[in-house]
Amino acid sequence: KNEVEQSPQNLTAQEGEFITINCSYSVGISALHWLQQHPGGGIVSLFMLSSGKKKHGRLIATINIQEKHSSLHITASHPRDSAVYICAVGTPNTGNQFYFGTGTSLTVIP
Amino acid sequence: GAVVSQHPSWVICKSGTSVKIECRSLDFQATTMFWYRQFPKQSLMLMATSNEGSKATYEQGVEKDKFLINHASLTLSTLTVTSAHPEDSSFYICSASRGWETQYFGPGTRLLVL
Repeated sequence: KNEVEQSPQNLTAQEGEFITINCSYSVGISALHWLQQHPGGGIVSLFMLSSGKKKHGRLIATINIQEKHSSLHITASHPRDSAVYICAVGTPNTGNQFYFGTGTSLTVIP
Repeated sequence: GAVVSQHPSWVICKSGTSVKIECRSLDFQATTMFWYRQFPKQSLMLMATSNEGSKATYEQGVEKDKFLINHASLTLSTLTVTSAHPEDSSFYICSASRGWETQYFGPGTRLLVL
């Protein structure tokens, strides 16, 4: 069983749609991270969360510690948002090692 | 800030040769660096964790004699794939962290062994 589960695995949306990607985890965490990996392979850290909600531009990330669940929302999606979105958690007992979800491949169609 | 570079970005080599990949933290001192491997359409697989001046800690199933990791300074770690074989072809990504902060990822190195 994976410590971090993401859904959906693949997602296709029309430009402008509101998108939600979900992440559930089964371990105690120090922080949860949302990462974005573009087709070229480079990874960008979008958010680091330990509670509540964060917003950056059209991206919103929320976390519910009691339910061990986080969501990443993209408002007014755009083709340039097409990428793989990865949920990762750091745990207090493993330094700053991450457990990774399998990723959600998002394609936004113009 | 918090930029991590990798070199080379891609490499093609013959079977049996060794390949060295460098990971540098450009604008911060990285106490810990991580090396990952990623197969197509799969998530990152942690290979090893290295702290500056210490021997790397390898994940189960990763051959330390095959994948040599050196973390000689707070800004540089190297991964050497020794006697590379076609099954070593993959995308290798490093990340760096300082203290208990998040990890900052490099752009990755694509290795193709012929």
